[in-house]
Amino acid sequence: GQQLNQSPQSMFIQEGEDVSMNCTSSSIFNTWLWYKQEPGEGPVLLIALYKAGELTSNGRLTAQFGITRKDSFLNISASIPSDVGIYFCAGLISGGSNYKLTFGKGTLLTVNP
Amino acid sequence: NAGVTQTPKFRILKIGQSMTLQCAQDMNHNYMYWYRQDPGMGLKLIYYSVGAGITDKGEVPNGYNVSRSTTEDFPLRLELAAPSQTSVYFCASSSRRASGRQSTDTQYFGPGTRLTVL
Repeated sequence: GQQLNQSPQSMFIQEGEDVSMNCTSSSIFNTWLWYKQEPGEGPVLLIALYKAGELTSNGRLTAQFGITRKDSFLNISASIPSDVGIYFCAGLISGGSNYKLTFGKGTLLTVNP
Repeated sequence: NAGVTQTPKFRILKIGQSMTLQCAQDMNHNYMYWYRQDPGMGLKLIYYSVGAGITDKGEVPNGYNVSRSTTEDFPLRLELAAPSQTSVYFCASSSRRASGRQSTDTQYFGPGTRLTVL
């Protein structure tokens, strides 16, 4: 099946620093999604990307859908303590009744005040 | 709207016991999903449903069963619990858009059920 390689596995940064994480795959996806999960909660969607090359922002978050449709990155600018959590990428293949969403293993972000 | 609700929040089972994890959504979403999340492993799709009466296997369906008799509810059944099924289980729902963007598929997740099989 499809596999997503998400990196880095974890990051420990100082408040105010910028953060970058990415996902790569050997398969093509038609949608890329980025989620954040806090302890004891379900994942919450941050950004959705629908076409190759698309660059989308949500506040301090920016994500891009790679031109090859096999990768995506998420940047967080000027990090703050509440950015702490696990960030997951997910690639989606869908069409007709076919639906497959594959998650990366997550990036654990720790922000030191 | 309550969104996606899951019960119970926690459960401990003995090997061989059975149980049903409940999931309900009040957003009139046609798509519903069950995932399991193991430490450091991200989420893996167990089963999904594109509408009432229709279910399909995901990546890791073995040991589980589902049903979708109504739009709102999507219970997950474990018939013979095994230690390998110790995990956190998340239910999610989404509303598939028929036109415009290919599919927004914005999935809303429940709070999860933490299951331990001893």
